[in-house]
Amino acid sequence: NAGVTQTPKFQVLKTGQSMTLQCAQDMNHEYMSWYRQDPGMGLRLIHYSVGAGITDQGEVPNGYNVSRSTTEDFPLRLLSAAPSQTSVYFCASSDSGLAGFNEQFFGPGTRLTVL
Amino acid sequence: QKEVEQDPGPLSVPEGAIVSLNCTYSNSAFQYFMWYRQYSRKGPELLMYTYSSGNKEDGRFTAQVDKSSKYISLFIRDSQPSDSATYLCAMSDIAGGTSYGKLTFGQGTILTVHP
Repeated sequence: NAGVTQTPKFQVLKTGQSMTLQCAQDMNHEYMSWYRQDPGMGLRLIHYSVGAGITDQGEVPNGYNVSRSTTEDFPLRLLSAAPSQTSVYFCASSDSGLAGFNEQFFGPGTRLTVL
Repeated sequence: QKEVEQDPGPLSVPEGAIVSLNCTYSNSAFQYFMWYRQYSRKGPELLMYTYSSGNKEDGRFTAQVDKSSKYISLFIRDSQPSDSATYLCAMSDIAGGTSYGKLTFGQGTILTVHP
């Protein structure tokens, strides 16, 4: 298993440009999430999905769009990049068992700089 | 005020020292309490989790949860240079462990263990 994979690893954008951060998992997990990590802020939830076709907003959703057409993929779209979106982005996935603990697995991250 | 507060450090200790990392939280609904370890330029990895109050031990690591005080701790005994990383506390608010993939993180503590 490759686990959770993210592409690209690094990206530089100019203000106003759009792009899509890719995330894929091969563990057949129902739940997938996107977080951003900024210095001194920990990880903050952007959007999450509980299954194909179902998404919802997290703590900091503004400026980001998501969709989930398959179980495996959960892309994050930046509609019009702003310098405030400079951050490290992590995708995560977990199983959907109703009882007990379900570990959340994280990808290696995408480092995004917006100039 | 953030739901989860964690002293970002940085914390620098000599090899062999006992390390204490702590988080406080405000949401009484949190039931699962996790510690993630994140090496430089990598994604977070689950170190330990605890359900509700109590202690849990795994080798050199001990996690404690005091729900009455809304306070959690991670102790590392006989610390090693390989323990140098950022430690993030995380919490979720329903049974099932990952709350549909929604975790609330502390800011993370940067730990350096020097030989």
